[in-house]
Amino acid sequence: EAQVTQNPRYLITVTGKKLTVTCSQNMNHEYMSWYRQDPGLGLRQIYYSMNVEVTDKGDVPEGYKVSRKEKRNFPLILESPSPNQTSLYFCASSLGTGTYEQYFGPGTRLTVT
Amino acid sequence: QKEVEQNSGPLSVPEGAIASLNCTYSDRGSQSFFWYRQYSGKSPELIMSIYSNGDKEDGRFTAQLNKASQYVSLLIRDSQPSDSATYLCAVTPVGFKTIFGAGTRLFVKA
Repeated sequence: EAQVTQNPRYLITVTGKKLTVTCSQNMNHEYMSWYRQDPGLGLRQIYYSMNVEVTDKGDVPEGYKVSRKEKRNFPLILESPSPNQTSLYFCASSLGTGTYEQYFGPGTRLTVT
Repeated sequence: QKEVEQNSGPLSVPEGAIASLNCTYSDRGSQSFFWYRQYSGKSPELIMSIYSNGDKEDGRFTAQLNKASQYVSLLIRDSQPSDSATYLCAVTPVGFKTIFGAGTRLFVKA
């Protein structure tokens, strides 16, 4: 089944404790992206990647890191989480080559206390 | 000014009616436009994409794009209660950078 998977789906952590949210897609998509969704603010892009080893900042990259070492994986790293990073996070992938329709993972609900 | 604006709603329509959802964007160079549907507690799913001026139809859905006026709309014909969701407008101004609107909540009353 073609899909984008994220792990974990739910995470409660404490301020300053490094964490990684994994994202993987099995559709051989070129493009991948991370979003956070907050009430009233909609989906905001954190980082995106248009190819292996190629990443770029979205609208809200502060406090986040990403890496794209393999085509299928695009982990999101929070090196020192803070309470304002409590949010619902979505990973998405897109075929690429000028096609930008995105397919989303199930989401990761993160709470930082 | 927000880069992609949508009325937050809620928009309420009776079953069988046409629902009209609108979106405006600020980056005149934007080339790709999308509508996503998001049910409560679920992830967004793509409904329509449109890249050139005019209308694009897919089943009960029609996307309309007017680049000169910088707006994109989504019409849902014969609305069903199962269409009740939040509809997200998205614009790709450059590369894979994507800007989403805050979404319009739609309620279809049976």
